[in-house]
Amino acid sequence: NAGVTQTPKFRILKIGQSMTLQCTQDMNHNYMYWYRQDPGMGLKLIYYSVGAGITDKGEVPNGYNVSRSTTEDFPLRLELAAPSQTSVYFCATNPWGTEAFFGQGTRLTVV
Amino acid sequence: TQLLEQSPQFLSIQEGENLTVYCNSSSVFSSLQWYRQEPGEGPVLLVTVVTGGEVKKLKRLTFQFGDARKDSSLHITAAQPGDTGLYLCAGGGQGAQKLVFGQGTRLTINP
Repeated sequence: NAGVTQTPKFRILKIGQSMTLQCTQDMNHNYMYWYRQDPGMGLKLIYYSVGAGITDKGEVPNGYNVSRSTTEDFPLRLELAAPSQTSVYFCATNPWGTEAFFGQGTRLTVV
Repeated sequence: TQLLEQSPQFLSIQEGENLTVYCNSSSVFSSLQWYRQEPGEGPVLLVTVVTGGEVKKLKRLTFQFGDARKDSSLHITAAQPGDTGLYLCAGGGQGAQKLVFGQGTRLTINP
């Protein structure tokens, strides 16, 4: 099993560009999350989903959008990238709220 | 908003010493989890505590959940250089669906 797969692993964006960070899981978990982690810091919750068709805002949702059309996929969309969005982004799944399984992360730099 | 505060944020000690890391909140959590993160990787679960007053041991690591389920601690006995890393606590709110993290404790064990 691949677990949680994130693409791309690295990306450099120019200010004002848009992109989609992909996240797919093969564990059939209902809960999925997007976090961002700034250097040396903990994880901030951007958006989460409790199942296909259901999403909700986390702690820092501004500047981001998500969708959840299937159980497997939970893409994160950045519109009008800003330097403040330079960070490492982690996607995670959770079978029933007791343990999160993380992808390898996407390192994004906005210049 | 449920917040988790970790202390200390940074800790550097010598090999063989003992240490305790704290995770505190003003909110009640249905469960608290501890993760460890290595550079360039996603966090990996160490333990989940679900019952007030619960104590779990993982080799030299002892985890405790507060009686009121608002706080937790991680105690490491005879720390080793291999214990170096970022330790994160996380709690599930809103029915454990919304998983939020503390800001982390960066631990360095010097040989």
